[in-house]
Amino acid sequence: DAGVIQSPRHEVTEMGQEVTLRCKPISGHNSLFWYRQTMMRGLELLIYFNNNVPIDDSGMPEDRFSAKMPNASFSTLKIQPSEPRDSAVYFCASSPGTPLFSSGANVLTFGAGSRLTVL
Amino acid sequence: LAKTTQPISMDSYEGQEVNITCSHNNIATNDYITWYQQFPSQGPRFIIQGYKTKVTNEVASLFIPADRKSSTLSLPRVSLSDTAVYYCPGGYQKVTFGTGTKLQVIP
Repeated sequence: DAGVIQSPRHEVTEMGQEVTLRCKPISGHNSLFWYRQTMMRGLELLIYFNNNVPIDDSGMPEDRFSAKMPNASFSTLKIQPSEPRDSAVYFCASSPGTPLFSSGANVLTFGAGSRLTVL
Repeated sequence: LAKTTQPISMDSYEGQEVNITCSHNNIATNDYITWYQQFPSQGPRFIIQGYKTKVTNEVASLFIPADRKSSTLSLPRVSLSDTAVYYCPGGYQKVTFGTGTKLQVIP
C-alpha cells in the first residue's frame, strides 16, 4: 500500500493566488481528515469526511478555505485567495472509518504533508 | 469536545526511561486512547492504543488508570532517534491533536 498520498509536497505562491492541495487516501478507508500545522497552533483539524460526506468543517478558518471529496479516492483543499498567514504544513489523513458500535481506536494514517508558503 | 492536555516539552538523556502523561478529562466511555509520534518534516505516526490498564508493543508502553482520565506513554531507554513530538489526540470521529509534547533526547 502506498499510504496516503499528498501533492504538491511544496508550494510557494503569491498572496491572492488560488492554492489547491490534493490527497489520495488509503484504499478502503472511509474517513478523511485535513489538518493544518503551525508552530504556534500545533496540529489543527480543519475538516473531516465520512464516506465522502463532510461531517464537521468547524475548523475551517474562513470562507477562503473549501474542501471537497468527489469520490472515495480523492480530496482537495482549496484556498482562494491565499494570504501570508495561510503559510503552514497541511496534512491529509485517512482512517478505516467510524462504525456506530465500534471497538478499538480510530487509527489515522497521515500523508507526508504539503508545505505551503504564501509570499 | 474531547480535548486532551499534555506538557509542551520534555528533555531526557539517552538511555533513560521517559514517561509522558496526558489528561483526558472529557473522554467518552467507548473512546480508546491513542498516541502518535511525529518526526520533523513527516506526518504523525500511530504508535500505540489502549482502553484500560497496560498495553505494551515493540515501541512503547501505555498505562491507563481505572478512571481513564489520564494516560502515560512510557518509552524505555530512549535514544537520540526518539527525539520527536508525541501526541495523545482526543475524540473518536473528530480527532483533535493540539500541540503535543516535544521530547528532546540529549546525548
